[in-house]
Amino acid sequence: DGGITQSPKYLFRKEGQNVTLSCEQNLNHDAMYWYRQDPGQGLRLIYYSQIVNDFQKGDIAEGYSVSREKKESFPLTVTSAQKNPTAFYLCASSSYGTEVYEQYFGPGTRLTVT
Amino acid sequence: GENVEQHPSTLSVQEGDSAVIKCTYSDSASNYFPWYKQELGKRPQLIIDIRSNVGEKKDQRIAVTLNKTAKHFSLHITETQPEDSAVYFCAARWGAGSYQLTFGKGTKLSVIP
Repeated sequence: DGGITQSPKYLFRKEGQNVTLSCEQNLNHDAMYWYRQDPGQGLRLIYYSQIVNDFQKGDIAEGYSVSREKKESFPLTVTSAQKNPTAFYLCASSSYGTEVYEQYFGPGTRLTVT
Repeated sequence: GENVEQHPSTLSVQEGDSAVIKCTYSDSASNYFPWYKQELGKRPQLIIDIRSNVGEKKDQRIAVTLNKTAKHFSLHITETQPEDSAVYFCAARWGAGSYQLTFGKGTKLSVIP
């Protein structure tokens, strides 16, 4: 299960607090992604980054922010503006080039906000 | 972006029977269609993928078929086993030059021993 890690596995926060989820990879992948998974909703793309210091919004970016200061790291901040933050968050990474490559997923962080 | 519809949402089969999961996509420029398997409490993992220059791809008991004209693709699992029980997600690439995927909502497959 090495290669891409997320921490912590479970995270609990009070409503109104910002929280940052960690994602690290040692696969030398250029591209990284954040997804949100809710029951019956599949995987929805929050943000993605194809290169250091550059990232793009996905389908559901409102209330989230990211940074990509290092190739290995792509942290996600869930802000107090996110109306329904309780969910399972998955980070993924892939190679980047002229072809499309497999996305490798981390183990996920389950965030509960009360 | 892309829109992917996946059916059925749940599927129960007897061990040894076949299972078929179907997906449709909206962007005719999409050219890459992976399938991921997610066991309970685990991360999604790629099990098979197909690119739009082929119509079918097989890997042991699993196969994927693609109909570009109709914009649909299907996952076929033969001789199902209890360890095939999981949630399966189809996905489609955004157009032909991007790296983003749009996922279907998933199919929960239960294989009954």
